[in-house]
Amino acid sequence: EAQVTQNPRYLITVTGKKLTVTCSQNMNHEYMSWYRQDPGLGLRQIYYSMNVEVTDKGDVPEGYKVSRKEKRNFPLILESPSPNQTSLYFCASSLYGGGLSGAFFGQGTRLTVV
Amino acid sequence: QKEVEQDPGPLSVPEGAIVSLNCTYSNSAFQYFMWYRQYSRKGPELLMYTYSSGNKEDGRFTAQVDKSSKYISLFIRDSQPSDSATYLCAGGGSQGNLIFGKGTKLSVKP
Repeated sequence: EAQVTQNPRYLITVTGKKLTVTCSQNMNHEYMSWYRQDPGLGLRQIYYSMNVEVTDKGDVPEGYKVSRKEKRNFPLILESPSPNQTSLYFCASSLYGGGLSGAFFGQGTRLTVV
Repeated sequence: QKEVEQDPGPLSVPEGAIVSLNCTYSNSAFQYFMWYRQYSRKGPELLMYTYSSGNKEDGRFTAQVDKSSKYISLFIRDSQPSDSATYLCAGGGSQGNLIFGKGTKLSVKP
């Protein structure tokens, strides 16, 4: 089954404690991205990657890091989480970037930073 | 101004009604338009994908794009309670990133 898998689904952490949210896709997609979804603000792109070892900032990259060492994996790293990073996070993958193909989304990770 | 504007609703309709969901966009470079459906506590799922102007139909769903007025619509015929979800429109070009609207929450009452 084609899917994007995120882990964990729920996470509560304390300010400043480094965390990683993993994302893996099994569709051999070139393009992967991370979004956060907040009430009233919609989906906002954090980082994206057009291929292995190629990453770039989205609209709200501050406080986040990513890496793309393998095509299937695209982890999101919060080196020093703060309460304003409490949000619902989605990883997505697509065959191509931009609007050239539709995106497949993971199930989401609900992060709470206290 | 955000590049894709969407009325957040909520929109409540009786079962069997025709639903019209709408978005406007400002970026003339957008050529590809999508509608995603997002159930509560789930990730968005691609519902419709269209290129350029015109209509595309898939079962009870019709996506419409009017590039001259920068207006995109999703029509749902014979709406069902299972259609209750948040609907996100998105636009993109051959380069750059997908831009999403904030979503419209739809509730279909039995």
